[in-house]
Amino acid sequence: AQRVTQPEKLLSVFKGAPVELKCNYSYSGSPELFWYVQYSRQRLQLLLRHISRESIKGFTADLNKGETSFHLKKPFAQEEDSAMYYCALSGYSGAGSYQLTFGKGTKLSVIP
Amino acid sequence: DGGITQSPKYLFRKEGQNVTLSCEQNLNHDAMYWYRQDPGQGLRLIYYSQIVNDFQKGDIAEGYSVSREKKESFPLTVTSAQKNPTAFYLCASSIDGGTSSYNEQFFGPGTRLTVL
Repeated sequence: AQRVTQPEKLLSVFKGAPVELKCNYSYSGSPELFWYVQYSRQRLQLLLRHISRESIKGFTADLNKGETSFHLKKPFAQEEDSAMYYCALSGYSGAGSYQLTFGKGTKLSVIP
Repeated sequence: DGGITQSPKYLFRKEGQNVTLSCEQNLNHDAMYWYRQDPGQGLRLIYYSQIVNDFQKGDIAEGYSVSREKKESFPLTVTSAQKNPTAFYLCASSIDGGTSSYNEQFFGPGTRLTVL
């Protein structure tokens, strides 16, 4: 079984402060991990995926297999970063298909 | 914007009635998904379909049914057997039938169902 844990329901930081949204996973195989974001009144959308190893909107996330973590980080938070963030894991679910499992989400609030 | 559309945005039904939520996509994606989003629960998979005329149960399929008669459409019926149907429902699609672990899922705007 695959599981994604986001320990913080709400994270408040001041503008300009560093941000770290935590994500831990449980999966027996080699995982593919994603961060999705949902801004107010907008659709849920992909922010970044670990396989791309890229920085999107200043956010980065590194897969740490030893700690089974995929924390999302940004050095300087901006007000427009305020949103709901979901960590997700794509794992093999049988019959040649993969299933995306989401964490419960962390609401990031950036204080001006 | 196009992509994935869900209708209606808000839906109210009386307890005991079945209700069908619409999901349409013009992305030519093979795979489609239905999730339920509850506060503090994240997204939970109800049903998914990798190809037309085929679908599989997700983690919380009880009380729901789906059909996939056309590639672009994946309606979800919330039946009277669903014990707690009031929720926000999200439809998504991805380019292929889930045979790759790298597939991005594209989401619709959601339907908020309230059962009175």
